[in-house]
Amino acid sequence: KQEVTQIPAALSVPEGENLVLNCSFTDSAIYNLQWFRQDPGKGLTSLLLIQSSQREQTSGRLNASLDKSSGRSTLYIAASQPGDSATYLCAVALSGAGSYQLTFGKGTKLSVIP
Amino acid sequence: NAGVTQTPKFRVLKTGQSMTLLCAQDMNHEYMYWYRQDPGMGLRLIHYSVGEGTTAKGEVPDGYNVSRLKKQNFLLGLESAAPSQTSVYFCASSSGYTQHFGDGTRLSIL
Repeated sequence: KQEVTQIPAALSVPEGENLVLNCSFTDSAIYNLQWFRQDPGKGLTSLLLIQSSQREQTSGRLNASLDKSSGRSTLYIAASQPGDSATYLCAVALSGAGSYQLTFGKGTKLSVIP
Repeated sequence: NAGVTQTPKFRVLKTGQSMTLLCAQDMNHEYMYWYRQDPGMGLRLIHYSVGEGTTAKGEVPDGYNVSRLKKQNFLLGLESAAPSQTSVYFCASSSGYTQHFGDGTRLSIL
């Protein structure tokens, strides 16, 4: 059974700092990995999707990397802002018939202090 | 530009009562999903659908039923609510691999 772990569970940084969020998964036979953002009382918003054949994806100040062989992904946030404060979740889709089903980590709660 | 709309947003039930949660999407997506989110457990897939008239079990399907009679709607039913079903329920839809989420239904079972 695929398990997804996110460390740390919570992170507090001063505004302007660059930071890295970590995600690890136990089964390397993944189809893709996604990073989501969740604001309090809201649903999830997709940030980046990395296919298993890719090494990284970038969107603005966000960069996600994937090392499938080691079962790890990182989300890099450059020049953090208070508006980045949220919970960040990673999720993996397994290869094969279940490739639309996602297994989520428990998330990292990020606080960016002005 | 509604996206994914969940109804109701909040509900309190007594043990043994039944109810239906409604999810509606206006993006013409084929795939729809129901998740529950619990503290310390993360999001877990309850049921999903790959098209109108189809449903399939996810990771935690027991105690729930679903129906997808229309492409735009995905219903989640609780036949006899139990306190263990107290949770935040999220619906999502997708046409490819990026899932779009609603804002959730907060359900408490007393």
